[in-house]
Amino acid sequence: AQSVTQLGSHVSVSEGALVLLRCNYSSSVPPYLFWYVQYPNQGLQLLLKYTSAATLVKGINGFEAEFKKSETSFHLTKPSAHMSDAAEYFCAVSGDTGGFKTIFGAGTRLFVKA
Amino acid sequence: DAGVIQSPRHEVTEMGQEVTLRCKPISGHDYLFWYRQTMMRGLELLIYFNNNVPIDDSGMPEDRFSAKMPNASFSTLKIQPSEPRDSAVYFCASSLYLTENIQYFGAGTRLSVL
Repeated sequence: AQSVTQLGSHVSVSEGALVLLRCNYSSSVPPYLFWYVQYPNQGLQLLLKYTSAATLVKGINGFEAEFKKSETSFHLTKPSAHMSDAAEYFCAVSGDTGGFKTIFGAGTRLFVKA
Repeated sequence: DAGVIQSPRHEVTEMGQEVTLRCKPISGHDYLFWYRQTMMRGLELLIYFNNNVPIDDSGMPEDRFSAKMPNASFSTLKIQPSEPRDSAVYFCASSLYLTENIQYFGAGTRLSVL
């Protein structure tokens, strides 16, 4: 069965600092991996996805993530945080033979300090 | 495209009442998902449909919850009778198989059961 673990329920960075949100996954088949972002009072929206092409994936708003099979990780980074990046971020995995489910992590809330 | 449309955005009801949440997926999408989000339990998949057929309802908490998809453009999630512990934000999402399960979320329905 597939699972996702996000390390750290809250991360706080200063504006302009590096953003690093950690995600480890478990999957018995080559997975599809995603990062979604949720702003207050909104639904989730896709930031980026990995689907077995390039291991370094670029998404919207300057975010990127690197798929490392040996570490079963898919960490999300952004070189320089902006105040508008404050939101909750969800790592997700799908593609298991068990169907079309997507398994979401518990989420990491990102705070950006001025 | 207007995206996934959910109604109502907010629902306040009293314990024991029937609640119906509505969702219009993106036109042409063949998968529809219902999620529940709470602080304690995070984002939980309740049920999902493929081509209007329920595929996996293992996440439905109990018999008080039911979901239908009578056609490709409409789905409902019903709670009868409602209880205070059902208070949560309920999200509907849709996806298209060919897009590698990228899910598009509605804005959610915030349900408060008093």
